[in-house]
Amino acid sequence: NAGVTQTPKFRVLKTGQSMTLLCAQDMNHEYMYWYRQDPGMGLRLIHYSVGEGTTAKGEVPDGYNVSRLKKQNFLLGLESAAPSQTSVYFCASSTPGRGNTEAFFGQGTRLTVV
Amino acid sequence: AQSVTQLDSHVSVSEGTPVLLRCNYSSSYSPSLFWYVQHPNKGLQLLLKYTSAATLVKGINGFEAEFKKSETSFHLTKPSAHMSDAAEYFCVVSPMNTGFQKLVFGTGTRLLVSP
Repeated sequence: NAGVTQTPKFRVLKTGQSMTLLCAQDMNHEYMYWYRQDPGMGLRLIHYSVGEGTTAKGEVPDGYNVSRLKKQNFLLGLESAAPSQTSVYFCASSTPGRGNTEAFFGQGTRLTVV
Repeated sequence: AQSVTQLDSHVSVSEGTPVLLRCNYSSSYSPSLFWYVQHPNKGLQLLLKYTSAATLVKGINGFEAEFKKSETSFHLTKPSAHMSDAAEYFCVVSPMNTGFQKLVFGTGTRLLVSP
């Protein structure tokens, strides 16, 4: 039972490079999310999706783009990486609910931008 | 708007002693409240959740939390700490009447357990 799988687990980028983080879930969840985790700040929502083909901005969307072409996948793109995007990125998924359903998290992607 | 304050960034206990991790919340709507745990280099795992049923919620690994509306608190406790409890703990709030699972995270409390 894989749950939520993130690829890659680690990456080092140079400033200005681009990359895509892949999130895959096998639980048939409607909702998917991308968060970033920075020391002393908890997790902050970057973008989210409430279904295939739909995406929306979260709390800190600048510098990121997302796509949800398939229900099971949610991609996070950095078009031109900046040192401020050095962080640990978490993908999560959940079923629809009135704020009371559990979100399942991947193991994270540690990204360093130099 | 929702917010969460975790009152301690670090808590140190000895193995076998009680654990108390404090969380206060603010929410415009009736909230759902969660505690998640993150072990080093791992993803987040749900410990327990409050969704307006019983105010005392029992979770995994012997943890429990009590929802106190009058104090806007949702503190996490465990009677006896184990070395494997050393991790970071996040208190999370979500408004209950939204169709979207909008989670707001606290800044985390790192639990250190000494032998």
